[in-house]
Amino acid sequence: DQQVKQNSPSLSVQEGRISILNCDYTNSMFDYFLWYKKYPAEGPTFLISISSIKDKNEDGRFTVFLNKSAKHLSLHIVPSQPGDSAVYFCAAIIQGAQKLVFGQGTRLTINP
Amino acid sequence: NAGVTQTPKFQVLKTGQSMTLQCAQDMNHEYMSWYRQDPGMGLRLIHYSVGAGITDQGEVPNGYNVSRSTTEDFPLRLLSAAPSQTSVYFCASSTPGVTKKAFFGQGTRLTVV
Repeated sequence: DQQVKQNSPSLSVQEGRISILNCDYTNSMFDYFLWYKKYPAEGPTFLISISSIKDKNEDGRFTVFLNKSAKHLSLHIVPSQPGDSAVYFCAAIIQGAQKLVFGQGTRLTINP
Repeated sequence: NAGVTQTPKFQVLKTGQSMTLQCAQDMNHEYMSWYRQDPGMGLRLIHYSVGAGITDQGEVPNGYNVSRSTTEDFPLRLLSAAPSQTSVYFCASSTPGVTKKAFFGQGTRLTVV
């Protein structure tokens, strides 16, 4: 029962272009969403988050969009840089439930 | 400024052996958790704790025990290792409140043969 799904295991983007990573969720009770980035042999690190009361949150080159009616969120990276090559996990939480639920991850490769 | 420290980084166990994965944080976070990462499965929650003396099960708790005697430490115990427990294990501690922004350790790569 995968409540948070990242259906693209991998994505390849040319340097300087836009990277769009997608995430779908099934539980309408989720009310806070986060993106994490993971390099090999390291733990995930927090990247950006969004509350369910918003539909967009921007931080530098990173923007997260939330479409509650579609139960879909996406992470946009513009412009993509070689250092963005990593695995990206989306995660969701229900307030008060104390459990962070992760998707399967998407491996992003930025090509020079 | 250590953050979350996990030991060991690598471990090979024989089936049936026991061991404890250590996790310590210096951020005074009440909430701590253990995840395992497997190919195609993402990060799955094993156990979590909302404070010293309080623990609860996550998605995949079978075969694992935890305890939380201090705010800083949250060890994960494998009582009788099985090959299905071969995985990368991550400990995390999280900021208070609803956001649960998690800070992860570097992981422990465990192989059970």
